Amino acid sequence: DTGVSQNPRHKITKRGQNVTFRCDPISEHNRLYWYRQTLGQGPEFLTYFQNEAQLEKSRLLSDRFSAERPKGSFSTLEIQRTEQGDSAMYLCASSGEGNTEAFFGQGTRLTVV
Amino acid sequence: GENVGLHLPTLSVQEGDNSIINCAYSNSASDYFIWYKQESGKGPQFIIDIRSNMDKRQGQRVTVLLNKTVKHLSLQIAATQPGDSAVYFCAEKYQGGKLIFGQGTELSVKP
Repeated sequence: DTGVSQNPRHKITKRGQNVTFRCDPISEHNRLYWYRQTLGQGPEFLTYFQNEAQLEKSRLLSDRFSAERPKGSFSTLEIQRTEQGDSAMYLCASSGEGNTEAFFGQGTRLTVV
Repeated sequence: GENVGLHLPTLSVQEGDNSIINCAYSNSASDYFIWYKQESGKGPQFIIDIRSNMDKRQGQRVTVLLNKTVKHLSLQIAATQPGDSAVYFCAEKYQGGKLIFGQGTELSVKP
């Protein structure tokens, strides 16, 4: 296991289309986080899971966004009816319990045209 | 709402010099801070962390200082190298591990 893996690395989609991203965390990590990052800004928290339970969602996560982690391993983030404002880097991170370090993946860069 | 922010958006230093990157935070109840380094096209990478019961913590070539009185923390990089060129973020860790990031400072190292 070489770290957190995200797919795809890049996605270009037309406005109004649905997109889905996948995150494979470090295998022994039970916590998984999704962040969104726009150019020149720090990552913004979207949601996180402990095992398969989604424990917190940001106000940034509109009803067009949904995240799942069905078996407590990989996670998917789906954006329905994409808008140009959804263009950003979507980052996934994972960590163990307690105050352990969070490891980030390389992100999925979404461009909505 | 509460936020974590940075004083300077860009910093340019000569190779071999020391770098200091600053960060201000507004949540006086915060008790755990982390510095991340992000290179172009990559996710943030953990550098060093510090708890609020500490004023200083040192790592390899990096030192983090925390001043709770003025709600300020800094990252010092000794003998800055070209490989240190990146964007640096301070982040505040909340319950459950959620991170609140500041805007970031771009460090540019001139050879």
